[in-house]
Amino acid sequence: EAQVTQNPRYLITVTGKKLTVTCSQNMNHEYMSWYRQDPGLGLRQIYYSMNVEVTDKGDVPEGYKVSRKEKRNFPLILESPSPNQTSLYFCASSFTGGQPQHFGDGTRLSIL
Amino acid sequence: GQQVMQIPQYQHVQEGEDFTTYCNSSTTLSNIQWYKQRPGGHPVFLIQLVKSGEVKKQKRLTFQFGEAKKNSSLHITATQTTDVGTYFCAGPGGATNKLIFGTGTLLAVQP
Repeated sequence: EAQVTQNPRYLITVTGKKLTVTCSQNMNHEYMSWYRQDPGLGLRQIYYSMNVEVTDKGDVPEGYKVSRKEKRNFPLILESPSPNQTSLYFCASSFTGGQPQHFGDGTRLSIL
Repeated sequence: GQQVMQIPQYQHVQEGEDFTTYCNSSTTLSNIQWYKQRPGGHPVFLIQLVKSGEVKKQKRLTFQFGEAKKNSSLHITATQTTDVGTYFCAGPGGATNKLIFGTGTLLAVQP
């Protein structure tokens, strides 16, 4: 089954404690992206990757890092999380940029 | 930078009424995509429109791409409670074709 898998689905943590949200897709997609969704603000792109070893900033990259060492994986790293990063996060993938995206189920992060 | 705006932000209808959401881009789009996000769920791709003036239908849903390829609409005929959710439009932007999402329209349907 074609899917984008995110882990964890839910996480409550404290300020400053490094965390990683994993994302994996099994569709051989070149393009992967991370979004955060906050009430009234829609989906805002954090980082995206056009292909392996190629990543670029989206609209709200501050406080986040990503890596794309393999085609299927695109982890999101919060080196020193802060409360303003409490949000719902989605990973998505598509064959190429600009094409329809498949979304993961989402990760709800609460940073106290 | 490029912006994609949607109106209305929220709409509440009685079951059986029609519903329309509008999407406007500040620049010409090569394609427009529509997604639906059920409450508590993730966005799910519905359809992609590519041609100027294109109209596509999916059962009670009608999607339209404007002649200038800068606007689009989604019309739902005779809404049902299963239509509840947030509808997003999205279009490619910039040199890297990253997908830019509209702010979404939240549809509530009262039985």
